[in-house]
Amino acid sequence: DGGITQSPKYLFRKEGQNVTLSCEQNLNHDAMYWYRQDPGQGLRLIYYSQIVNDFQKGDIAEGYSVSREKKESFPLTVTSAQKNPTAFYLCASRGKGLAGVRDTQYFGPGTRLTVL
Amino acid sequence: GIQVEQSPPDLILQEGANSTLRCNFSDSVNNLQWFHQNPWGQLINLFYIPSGTKQNGRLSATTVATERYSLLYISSSQTTDSGVYFCAVEPRGSTLGRLYFGRGTQLTVWP
Repeated sequence: DGGITQSPKYLFRKEGQNVTLSCEQNLNHDAMYWYRQDPGQGLRLIYYSQIVNDFQKGDIAEGYSVSREKKESFPLTVTSAQKNPTAFYLCASRGKGLAGVRDTQYFGPGTRLTVL
Repeated sequence: GIQVEQSPPDLILQEGANSTLRCNFSDSVNNLQWFHQNPWGQLINLFYIPSGTKQNGRLSATTVATERYSLLYISSSQTTDSGVYFCAVEPRGSTLGRLYFGRGTQLTVWP
């Protein structure tokens, strides 16, 4: 069954700790993305990667880091430098959709991070 | 970057009613997608529609690229249609695939 998985679903972190959010896809998509969503807001882009071993900063990259060592995986680390990390984090990948439409972006179920 | 504005911000309907959601964007686009975010946070693709009209069951969408807007129509709404509807665009000329999102329309459908 093709799709995007994110784990964990809920994550609690103490201030000063780094945490890593997992994102895996088996859609054979080259491009992957991380977004942040705050209550009542749209999605904002954190980082994106168009190909393995390459990634670019999005609009709000400060306090975050990523890696892209495998096509299937694009983990996001929320570091202690991120001042307000409590948010909903969504991972996406881009490729040909189910209807054969190119450039369709598909999303995972998300991770809710709460800093205590 | 490109600006994306959605209206209305909130919409409350009774089951069976029809509705129209609007998305205005400030520049030409390669890609426009409509998404539905369910109460659990999952974003579901509704339409990939950089131009033209598409229909899928009770939902349809029209994008008038020359006038920089898109409309999402929901007919005979059901309680399961509740959630947030997002419009997202990729600026023309971009090859990066990144999408710019509007702030969404929060739809509540009452039985």
